[in-house]
Order: sequence, then C-alpha cells, then structure tokens
Amino acid sequence: GIQVEQSPPDLILQEGANSTLRCNFSDSVNNLQWFHQNPWGQLINLFYIPSGTKQNGRLSATTVATERYSLLYISSSQTTDSGVYFCAVNSLKTSYDKVIFGPGTSLSVIP
Amino acid sequence: EADIYQTPRYLVIGTGKKITLECSQTMGHDKMYWYQQDPGMELHLIHYSYGVNSTEKGDLSSESTVSRIRTEHFPLTLESARPSHTSQYLCASKTGMVTEAFFGQGTRLTVV
Repeated sequence: GIQVEQSPPDLILQEGANSTLRCNFSDSVNNLQWFHQNPWGQLINLFYIPSGTKQNGRLSATTVATERYSLLYISSSQTTDSGVYFCAVNSLKTSYDKVIFGPGTSLSVIP
Repeated sequence: EADIYQTPRYLVIGTGKKITLECSQTMGHDKMYWYQQDPGMELHLIHYSYGVNSTEKGDLSSESTVSRIRTEHFPLTLESARPSHTSQYLCASKTGMVTEAFFGQGTRLTVV
C-alpha cells in the first residue's frame, strides 16, 4: 500500500521564525490534505491540495504530484501554531477510499 | 466549516461497561470513518462505511462495532470496555473520490 512519510518528526521554533514541513508519498495519489491537530486533539483542515500551490494567511502549501511530495510553509510562527501537523492522502489504487495518514510533525513554537 | 459532531468529547468509564460513541454529520456525505489515535501517535483506521447498511473493518483490528442505519449517523460501540481501549477516537466523513475529508472534534476515552 501507499506509504506516507513526513519530516522532520519534531521541530522547535522561536516565535516569529519560518519553517517548512515535508510530506513524501510512495505512489500516485488523487487527494492530499494537510491537517493541524491542536493540543485538544481536534484535527483542523488546513489545505486540500492534490496539486499546485495554495496560501491561507501565514500558511501556504505546495504539492508536486509528479514527484510525490508536498510542502507546508509556516511563516512568522506563533505559539498557537504548536501541535502536530499531519499529511494525509487518498489513492484510487487502494482497495477502498481511505484516508492514509503520515506519522506527523510535532511543532513547538516557544515565545 | 465542517458539520460533523462527536459526543461525548471526554468520557471516563469503568471496566466492563458498554459505551457508544456518537458521530453525526449534516453534509450528506456517503462515506464515514472511525480512526483510533493514541496520544502523540499516528491515526489508524478501524471502521469505515460507504453508505447506509454498509460497514467494513479498517486496517487496525478493533473490538468495537459500528452501524450505519442513517446516512448522517455512524455510532461506535464497545460492548465491554477495557483499559486497553483508552485512546482518542476520531470520526470523519467525505463524499466522492476527489474530495477532502472532514473530522469531528474527537472523543477522548479513558477506561479505568
């Protein structure tokens, strides 16, 4: 089945710094989403981005489907950005339409 | 904004009790999912449904069961809770293939 890898596994940033999170996937996908899991455990949809580039405030994401990776950019980080960032994909090649998650990147933004 | 709701948000229950975690969505999505997640760990799919009266087990074996009698409702039941069931349970829904999934707020279950 499709494997999803994320890097780095852990990241500590000073408030105001920028960062790039990476998601690699092992096969072609038809969906890709980025989620932020807050300290209360809720998964927040950040981007639905099977290809191309999108921006939402301080966050932006780029997916290069032909090279099987996606990047999430966080600029001018704030303490509220802390949490775990998950990349998740769907593929028409799986036996059913399931959302496959990567292991996540744990981000801590310190004041 | 996603219209998918889970109740309760937090539950502490004794060993041997029967519990049902509720998940409802008002988006008319045909596909619904349950994931289990231990703190700081990956999400694992335990059940999914493609529509009314359709339920399947996911990748991670679970002692829980699910039902899908109505499109909007996908409850998860544990007949006899055990401490090993302590975890967070997240419900999701989507429609079609090339669409995004939406998640509920999660239920954090503790079995003592």
